[in-house]
Amino acid sequence: DVKVTQSSRYLVKRTGEKVFLECVQDMDHENMFWYRQDPGLGLRLIYFSYDVKMKEKGDIPEGYSVSREKKERFSLILESASTNQTSMYLCASNPTGGAYEQYFGPGTRLTVT
Amino acid sequence: AQSVSQHNHHVILSEAASLELGCNYSYGGTVNLFWYVQYPGQHLQLLLKYFSGDPLVKGIKGFEAEFIKSKFSFNLRKPSVQWSDTAEYFCAVNAPLNGDYKLSFGAGTTVTVRA
Repeated sequence: DVKVTQSSRYLVKRTGEKVFLECVQDMDHENMFWYRQDPGLGLRLIYFSYDVKMKEKGDIPEGYSVSREKKERFSLILESASTNQTSMYLCASNPTGGAYEQYFGPGTRLTVT
Repeated sequence: AQSVSQHNHHVILSEAASLELGCNYSYGGTVNLFWYVQYPGQHLQLLLKYFSGDPLVKGIKGFEAEFIKSKFSFNLRKPSVQWSDTAEYFCAVNAPLNGDYKLSFGAGTTVTVRA
């Protein structure tokens, strides 16, 4: 079974803090993705990575950065958290090629106060 | 990027009723189509997918979806729902021949099944 794990299920941070969200997958997938999920908006892609040390912006990258130093790990960084970044953050991975489904982690519900 | 439209925001129905959720996408070329489900408190998981071949696709838990290319649609159906089908359902699409493997998701449809 593919497993995608995220470091925290719930996180509460203060405005201006630097926040790290970690994601690890155990299936040697090349591709990894970070989404945020908001009611009525579905899932929106923040960043994705096709390989180690490689990253590309998704649809809403502003205020976020990412790091992929190892194939199995993909980190999302909020450089200076703001209240409008309060959301559910989902990580996903899949093998190279568009025909493969993405496998999702359980999500991290981040609240910025 | 493709856009995906899900027609219903919230659907409420009784057990044993039939369910149909609409999904339309904007891209005119070859697409891969997916339906994902998120049960309360659980992670997003795949219900079914279409890549090619028979446009009627069967998935897990008795769900099926029909790809109608002329209508740019991929509607999800289940003949008789159960209380356990209460969940949020997402349609998603990518366009691999366009070199675009990223998924575009619809806004989601919340389905509430009353016992």
